[in-house]
Formats: sequence, C-alpha cells, structure tokens
Amino acid sequence: EVQLVESGGGLVKPGGSLRLSCAASGFTFSSYTMNWVRQAPGKGLEWVSSISTRSSYIYYADSMKGRFTISRDNAKNSLYLQMNSLRDEDTAVYYCARDLGYSFGDGFDYWGQGTLVTVSS
Amino acid sequence: QSALTQPASVSGSPGQSITISCTGTSSDVGNYNLVSWYQHHPGKAPKLMIYEGTKRPSGVSDRFSGSKSGNTASLTISGLQAEDEADYYCCSYASSSTYVFGTGTKVTVL
Repeated sequence: EVQLVESGGGLVKPGGSLRLSCAASGFTFSSYTMNWVRQAPGKGLEWVSSISTRSSYIYYADSMKGRFTISRDNAKNSLYLQMNSLRDEDTAVYYCARDLGYSFGDGFDYWGQGTLVTVSS
Repeated sequence: QSALTQPASVSGSPGQSITISCTGTSSDVGNYNLVSWYQHHPGKAPKLMIYEGTKRPSGVSDRFSGSKSGNTASLTISGLQAEDEADYYCCSYASSSTYVFGTGTKVTVL
C-alpha cells in the first residue's frame, strides 16, 4: 500500500525556518517525481515544488523561489522541503504528493495527510 | 501564474448530473492535454479523479468523466451520490514546467 507521511510542521515566527519531511513507503520511491502542494486556511490547493527522480530537475512556484528548497534522499525514501524566510501567507497545510509517473504534468496520484505550518508572531 | 477559474459552488439532487468548469488560458489548459481533477474531503488527503483531461485512474467510478474545449476543462459527475459531496479542484500543467490549480468548487448534494 502506498503511504506518504509528512512531518515537521509547527508554529514558527515570521522570518523563521522550518524543514518538512515526507516518508514514503509501499512503492519504489526512486522511480517517481515527487511534489509538495499546500492549502492555506479557507483557500484552495497551490502547487509548491516538484523534484525529479534523481533530483536533476527541480521546479518551484514563483512565490517560493529563493525561499524554499526541495530535496530528496532515495536511500531513505524521503522527500524534504526546507522553508526559509517564512511569511504569514505561508501558513498552510503542506501535502506531499506522488507524480502519476507517465509524464511530467499528468497529475498526482497519491497524497499524504498533510502537515500544518503556522507562521505567526 | 493565476489560478484557474472554477465556480465556487455547484449543487444537485441525488441521481442528477452536474458539471464543474475550469477555465484557464492558452498557456495552460488550452495548450496541454494535462488537466487533472481532485476530490477533497476536508481533513483528508485529496484524491485523483481524472488525469490527462479524460482518463480515470483505476478504482475511480465511471460516474466521473472529464472533457476539454479550448481553454476550459470540465468534470461531470453523473448519478450524483451523497458521498460525492466534497471540494473539487482542477489542475493543469503550465509553461516552464509548473502546475496551476483551480480555485476550487464545493459540490453539495441536496
């Protein structure tokens, strides 16, 4: 059974940093592009970042460029999101999502339950 | 990249059909056959319902179908059931290897 379990969320002050993790199991992690998607309170889903199987290709939404860094460790079946210079508007539930795998852009077939990040003074 | 436009809410009675629209631009929906749709019950993980515009993943009911015309994609739910009540989001591949989600639609079963 495919499982994605996020961790690392919490309360952080504006300007602070946080590192999210996503532990994957039930599939060959190294064969799939992985993604982060977030949802602010009362708002819709927002794509954050994607990383290819060997980390050769990394993409970010414009509002996260320069502040967020996605990475992965295929030996540990883990995905990460380092978030720096956090702002109030980064408050959201952050989801880890697996790429469908046929081609980049075709969608996300498995999602974790999410981890809540709250940015507040 | 601006969010794709969806109606805020759509409702229908059990057994009816409803359609949710998702309007983008020629840089996203109109330029790629890479629209996906997600069902999201609050507090749960989103679920993929349609990918590549019209394809259903294994296990998704055939009551769900997708289509596209120009810059607008659509999700149709036929034979509406109480369990279909949820938020629905479209998502499109966009230029520069990015994704853009829709604004979301709350489906209510009357």
